[in-house]
Amino acid sequence: GEDVEQSLFLSVREGDSSVINCTYTDSSSTYLYWYKQEPGAGLQLLTYIFSNMDMKQDQRLTVLLNKKDKHLSLRIADTQTGDSAIYFCAESISAAGNKLTFGGGTRVLVKP
Amino acid sequence: DVKVTQSSRYLVKRTGEKVFLECVQDMDHENMFWYRQDPGLGLRLIYFSYDVKMKEKGDIPEGYSVSREKKERFSLILESASTNQTSMYLCASSSRGFRGEAFFGQGTRLTVV
Repeated sequence: GEDVEQSLFLSVREGDSSVINCTYTDSSSTYLYWYKQEPGAGLQLLTYIFSNMDMKQDQRLTVLLNKKDKHLSLRIADTQTGDSAIYFCAESISAAGNKLTFGGGTRVLVKP
Repeated sequence: DVKVTQSSRYLVKRTGEKVFLECVQDMDHENMFWYRQDPGLGLRLIYFSYDVKMKEKGDIPEGYSVSREKKERFSLILESASTNQTSMYLCASSSRGFRGEAFFGQGTRLTVV
């Protein structure tokens, strides 16, 4: 079955690193994603990782994937106030036509 | 610039009304989705369509139906709106091909009174 879980809230000081964690249960996931939602807006794709990769770096963002533990994390370096948002992890399974299943979202609050 | 457009940002409807939420995408995507977003519950999939006239139930289809008569348009229908359907509704589309990332509309905040 499909189940994606995240912690609800993270508070971090400006300039520090943020780490958002996610666990999933479906081992046939093809891609795993991180989306960002700013207040009053839809979701925007931040980054993604293919299931045969362990790590992906994209500027301030680092995604780590531990397939054995079904654990995904997003690290944001040098966190800025503009990073305050809700972050969702999601998985898709190509065999299911890329249907997306989302976690509950982690609200990140960056304090100056 | 790719776009997923939802017909309304805010809607207020009465209990028992039939409600239509419209979504249009301009990316020629095969897949389209309707989610509802509630605090602490994340995004829950209501219905999913992978082709014209095709649909699959998501996790919470009760009280909803959908229509996909054209590839670019996916409609969510609340047959008889109830107060527990007050929520943010998000439409998304994705390609069945490479990466399958989803693009989202801005959302429709529906209040049922």
